[in-house]
Parts: sequence; C-alpha cells; structure tokens
Amino acid sequence: AQTVTQSQPEMSVQEAETVTLSCTYDTSENNYYLFWYKQPPSRQMILVIRQEAYKQQNATENRFSVNFQKAAKSFSLKISDSQLGDTAMYFCAFLSRRYGGSQGNLIFGKGTKLSVKP
Amino acid sequence: NAGVTQTPKFRVLKTGQSMTLLCAQDMNHEYMYWYRQDPGMGLRLIHYSVGEGTTAKGEVPDGYNVSRLKKQNFLLGLESAAPSQTSVYFCASSISPISGNTIYFGEGSWLTVV
Repeated sequence: AQTVTQSQPEMSVQEAETVTLSCTYDTSENNYYLFWYKQPPSRQMILVIRQEAYKQQNATENRFSVNFQKAAKSFSLKISDSQLGDTAMYFCAFLSRRYGGSQGNLIFGKGTKLSVKP
Repeated sequence: NAGVTQTPKFRVLKTGQSMTLLCAQDMNHEYMYWYRQDPGMGLRLIHYSVGEGTTAKGEVPDGYNVSRLKKQNFLLGLESAAPSQTSVYFCASSISPISGNTIYFGEGSWLTVV
C-alpha cells in the first residue's frame, strides 16, 4: 500500500521570501502521478502542480516548482516570492497509474499549514 | 458548466438520524469519489465509483453506503449517524485519472453529528 508523509505540520514565511514544503512517499510502483493541492480557508481543493513519475524534468507553474527525486521518493514544493494569498493548507498526494490498481484514488498526506506573514 | 456540486453544504444531525449527501457532476465523468477530511488529516477515501451502477469501498467505508444509479450523480448515505462521522465531506470526479485527466473537487459539505 502506498503512503504519503508530510513531516512539517506548520510552516511560516515572510512575504516575498521562498519556502519549501517537504513530502515523501512509499510505493513499489514505477508509474504514478504526484500532486500538490492547496486548500485555503474556504476549504476548496485547488491543484497547484502535478508531476508524472516518468518525466525527469521537474514541473513548474509560475512561482511554484517541485524537486522530484524518484529514487529517494521525495517530492518537495518550492514557493518563490511568497504572497499573502499563498496562506493555506498544502497537501501532497499520490495517484497510481496502474490499471486494476487503486482506480484513480488519490492518497493524501496529512498536510502542511503555511502562513505567509506581511 | 457547474462542475462538481455537493448538496447540502452544511448539516447538523442528531445521533442515529440518517441523511444523504448528493454529488452531481455535469462533465460526463466516469470516475466519482467521496472523501472525508478530519482535523490534522488529509482527505481519506470513503467509497468510489468507476461508472454508472458500480461502487467500491475505499479506506474508511464503515458506516456509509453509496449509490450511482445515474452517471452524473453519486450519493453518500449515513444510515445511523454517529459523532465520529462529524467531518467535512468532499466529492470528486474525473474522466480517467490514471490517464492524466484532471480530478475536480466539489466545495465540501460540513456535517456535524451531535
């Protein structure tokens, strides 16, 4: 069974600074997706970034980028030029691409609460 | 295009009462999911469906039942609510997540059992 671990329950960063959120996962599979979701106080689940395991290049989306280390099973999220609107819970999630496996079920970590301070 | 809509948004139940949460999607998605989110926890899968007329158990299915009689709707039922079922419930849907299609989430349903 796959597991996702986020070891930082809470983090804070000053506005305009850079912060990195950690995520590790455990799986015996080779073909999967990894995600970072943002959940602001409204509780809406917002997809931040997605990484395909077979792609060596790290995914980027504007100020958000990941450091994907497949061998180490590590998937960290870097937020550059932090903004007040980045304040939220951030969840790392795993999705197996194996047919007949988990049927597209997302497996979530427990989340990291990020506070961006002015 | 409404996306994924959950009804109701908020509900307070007494222990032992029953209720049904409705998830509706207008994107012709095959895959639909019900998750629950508790404090200090990520989302955990309750039940899911890979097509009309099919359902399957997830990680935390006890105390819940589901039905998918129509492709666009996925119902989550609590037959006899317990305080441990106080949670925020999220529905999600996708055409085919393992093919890389986007997973869309509803806005959540807050359920309190007293």
